[in-house]
Amino acid sequence: EAGVAQSPRYKIIEKRQSVAFWCNPISGHATLYWYQQILGQGPKLLIQFQNNGVVDDSQLPKDRFSAERLKGVDSTLKIQPAKLEDSAVYLCASSLPSGRASDTQYFGPGTRLTVL
Amino acid sequence: GNSVTQMEGPVTLSEEAFLTINCTYTATGYPSLFWYVQYPGEGLQLLLKATKADDKGSNKGFEATYRKETTSFHLEKGSVQVSDSAVYFCAQGAQKLVFGQGTRLTINP
Repeated sequence: EAGVAQSPRYKIIEKRQSVAFWCNPISGHATLYWYQQILGQGPKLLIQFQNNGVVDDSQLPKDRFSAERLKGVDSTLKIQPAKLEDSAVYLCASSLPSGRASDTQYFGPGTRLTVL
Repeated sequence: GNSVTQMEGPVTLSEEAFLTINCTYTATGYPSLFWYVQYPGEGLQLLLKATKADDKGSNKGFEATYRKETTSFHLEKGSVQVSDSAVYFCAQGAQKLVFGQGTRLTINP
């Protein structure tokens, strides 16, 4: 079974530039999550989708971050404009359709973003 | 709010030593509890979980018991191997998954 796919794996940009990350979840997983993991910290949830609807985006900095999940499969996370403090690993995860917090989440390899 | 506090690392042990990584949580209600592991160069993967009080999760020789009275979910292994070197994250899931800061474990031969 294929895992969660993410691209690119690495990205280096200048501050104030924009960047986009892509995620393809495990087939059949209706729930998709984006996390931000700053060096030395645990992952922090940015946004959770159930199919193509947003369940929780309370920690998403909406003035610069946006995410979409068209057709309830792939998802894109965008940052515009980027700040130095956005340097982190961006993780995508997916889980079975129930969307309960007790469900096992399956993580992709992440995208490491460096903002200079 | 909901939070997780983990034993600070890094932790360095010799092969075959006994391992404990402490984890405590604060939450409203009764969250599910998880240990995730991140091996070098790889993504996060679930190690074990427990969904209610007194449940014991186990996998690959690791164990953790959901202790409601002490709000803890300590990770233990009786005899660690070099291949267990990784970063370990405790997490709790009530409305959403909340992670601790991670504990880096290094096992020396």
